[in-house]
Amino acid sequence: NAGVTQTPKFQVLKTGQSMTLQCAQDMNHNSMYWYRQDPGMGLRLIYYSASEGTTDKGEVPNGYNVSRLNKREFSLRLESAAPSQTSVYFCASSGNRGQETQYFGPGTRLLVL
Amino acid sequence: AQSVTQLGSHVSVSEGALVLLRCNYSSSVPPYLFWYVQYPNQGLQLLLKYTSAATLVKGINGFEAEFKKSETSFHLTKPSAHMSDAAEYFCAVIKRGGAQKLVFGQGTRLTINP
Repeated sequence: NAGVTQTPKFQVLKTGQSMTLQCAQDMNHNSMYWYRQDPGMGLRLIYYSASEGTTDKGEVPNGYNVSRLNKREFSLRLESAAPSQTSVYFCASSGNRGQETQYFGPGTRLLVL
Repeated sequence: AQSVTQLGSHVSVSEGALVLLRCNYSSSVPPYLFWYVQYPNQGLQLLLKYTSAATLVKGINGFEAEFKKSETSFHLTKPSAHMSDAAEYFCAVIKRGGAQKLVFGQGTRLTINP
């Protein structure tokens, strides 16, 4: 099993460009998440999806959209990138009970110039 | 709202010394508590978690953490540090009965001196 995979690994964008970060999991998990990691701030939840067809905002959703394409895939879209969105983005997945472990992908490093 | 505080953004210990990384949470009802580790240029990996069974929780790589309700703490310890323990460590919580939103502390970078 690959676990949680993310593409691309690294991306450079110019301000105003758009892009989609892809995430897929092969653990048959219902819940999937997108986080961003910034120095000194830990990880902050952008959006999450408790099941196929549902999505909810997290702590920092502004400037992002998500799509839960099917049970396996959860994508994050930046419609008009801004330098403040320079960050490392992590996707994660888990079962539906609160105490279940979230499994993380390797991350996507995004630089917005 | 749930919050997590990790005391010390950087901790440095000698190889073989005790590792102590501090985590305090703010909640009237004890949440689910997690410690994750992040090695350089990698994603996060679960070290251990507290879900209301034993208050002393053992994890991977010789780490353990003790849940203390009276102190609202969940500090991470390892008796003897190894060079391979150098990484960033995150404490995180999920509110019981709520949505599965992990709230992370700001992280503690652990350096091991030879």
